Formats: sequence, structure tokens, C-alpha cells
Amino acid sequence: GIQVEQSPPDLILQEGANSTLRCNFSDSVNNLQWFHQNPWGQLINLFYIPSGTKQNGRLSATTVATERYSLLYISSSQTTDSGVYFCAVGVYNQGGKLIFGQGTELSVKP
Amino acid sequence: DTGVSQNPRHKITKRGQNVTFRCDPISEHNRLYWYRQTLGQGPEFLTYFQNEAQLEKSRLLSDRFSAERPKGSFSTLEIQRTEQGDSAMYLCASSLSKGQLNTEAFFGQGTRLTVV
Repeated sequence: GIQVEQSPPDLILQEGANSTLRCNFSDSVNNLQWFHQNPWGQLINLFYIPSGTKQNGRLSATTVATERYSLLYISSSQTTDSGVYFCAVGVYNQGGKLIFGQGTELSVKP
Repeated sequence: DTGVSQNPRHKITKRGQNVTFRCDPISEHNRLYWYRQTLGQGPEFLTYFQNEAQLEKSRLLSDRFSAERPKGSFSTLEIQRTEQGDSAMYLCASSLSKGQLNTEAFFGQGTRLTVV
């Protein structure tokens, strides 16, 4: 099956710094989503981005489907950005189920 | 719409007991998914429904697990004879399928199960 790898596994930043999280996947996908998991465990949707570039405030994401990777950019980080960020992909003819990476745990220090 | 709703939020049970979780998806969504997440890992797919039909079950879903979506709306996930290894967060998600197009999936708050 498809493999999803996220890097780095952990990241510590000072408030105000910028960061880039990466997601590599091993096969063609027809769905890619980025999530932020809050301290209570809920997955918060950040981007639905099977291809192209999107921006939402301080966050933006780019997926280059032909090269099988996606990037999540966080600018001017805040302590509330702390948590685990997951990339998840869906493949053709598999009913829309998502395959998750292992996540990047981000800690933003004041 | 209030989004995907799961209950209970937390469940502590003794080993060997049966437990049942409920998921109410976003009302117009025809696909419903169950995932399991253990500490330090990403969520893993368990099963999914399109309307009331259960179309795929992961090998992670042992015969002690059963899921239903009787009228194509809410779903239940039952675990019989719970084991300590069943302790995890159980997440439900829903999406709207349009032919082969996978649309954005939305997740509920999860049910955290602890088996003691």
C-alpha cells in the first residue's frame, strides 16, 4: 500500500519563527489533507489540497502531485500553533479512506 | 450543521466487557469512516460505509469488532470482550462522495477508550 512519510518528526520553534513541514507519499493520490490535532485529540481541517497551492491566514500549503510531496508552511508561529500536524492521503478506487503519516509534533515556545 | 458528533467522549471499561460508540456524521454526507489512533501514531483506517453498505473492513478490525450504519445516517462501533490492547482513540469521519472524486473528510471529536 501507499506509504506516507512526514518530516521532521519533532520541531521546536520560538514564537514568531517560520516553519515548513513536509509530506512525501509513494504513489499517485486523488486526495491530500493537512490536519492539526488539538490537545483533546480532535483533528482540525487545515487544507484539502490534492494539488496546487492554498493559503489561509498565516498558513499555506503546496502539493506537487507529480513529484509526490506536499508542504505546509506556518509563518509567524504562535504558541497556539503547538500540537501534532498530520498529512493524510487518499488513493483512487479505495473509497476515500485516508492513509495518515506519523505526524510532526510542533512546539512553539513564548 | 454542527459537524461530526461522537459519543461518549470518554469510556473506561473493564477487560472483557462490551462497549458501543456512536457517530453522527454531517447530514448530507454519504460516506462514514471509522479510524483508531494509539498514542504517538497517526490514525489507522478501520472500516467505511457508503450509505448503509459497509464497503471495506481493515484487517485491524478483528471479529470482536462490528460496525453498523442501519439507515445510512448514524453509525455504531461495538467492541466485544474488550482487551487492554483495544485502548485507543476511536475517530469517526464523514465525507460526500461524487463518483470517483474523494471530497474533504471531516472528523469528530473522538471517543477515548481505556480498558482496565
